[in-house]
Amino acid sequence: SQQGEEDPQALSIQEGENATMNCSYKTSINNLQWYRQNSGRGLVHLILIRSNEREKHSGRLRVTLDTSKKSSSLLITASRAADTASYFCQGSGTYKYIFGTGTRLKVLA
Amino acid sequence: EAGVAQSPRYKIIEKRQSVAFWCNPISGHATLYWYQQILGQGPKLLIQFQNNGVVDDSQLPKDRFSAERLKGVDSTLKIQPAKLEDSAVYLCASSPAVSTDTQYFGPGTRLTVL
Repeated sequence: SQQGEEDPQALSIQEGENATMNCSYKTSINNLQWYRQNSGRGLVHLILIRSNEREKHSGRLRVTLDTSKKSSSLLITASRAADTASYFCQGSGTYKYIFGTGTRLKVLA
Repeated sequence: EAGVAQSPRYKIIEKRQSVAFWCNPISGHATLYWYQQILGQGPKLLIQFQNNGVVDDSQLPKDRFSAERLKGVDSTLKIQPAKLEDSAVYLCASSPAVSTDTQYFGPGTRLTVL
């Protein structure tokens, strides 16, 4: 399977703490994106990082990309209970969109 | 702006029956995707349309799955006959163009095959 993998599979933290999740992928990509999925809902796009970028910020989100290691990380700072969800990375190459297995984040109030 | 619409939201069928899902993408979005998400896994791309043409259907089990996007707007995904392992959430997504990677997802259809 070409599917990427997130690490850890599950993460439980206290509100206010930072959450870091990692993604590894197998094929060459043009872009990498992170999505959030609340239980029973569709996916919501969070942030896109291009293959020639190393780091990107958006609000409380920080994404890094290391194309030599085929890996990316998503940092959520000052987490909130509303951040409780599953987080997926998606690599995209020419006409190929491959999701990772997801990290289930639980933020305890 | 209205989001991606999908129906039905839930469907329960017996194995060997047929089922169809409908998707209406965001207005003006040229690219439409169907994903299958099995419980505990990430979404797997089944088929990608650019307008009414197929860009990628390499992971679509063509012996039982079919999809069409007539007139380049809404789309239907059909399974005939269904198997137990088809139980999953079927997600539809759209994006403005192939070169725009950000995809906008619908709420999904949860299929249970008994």
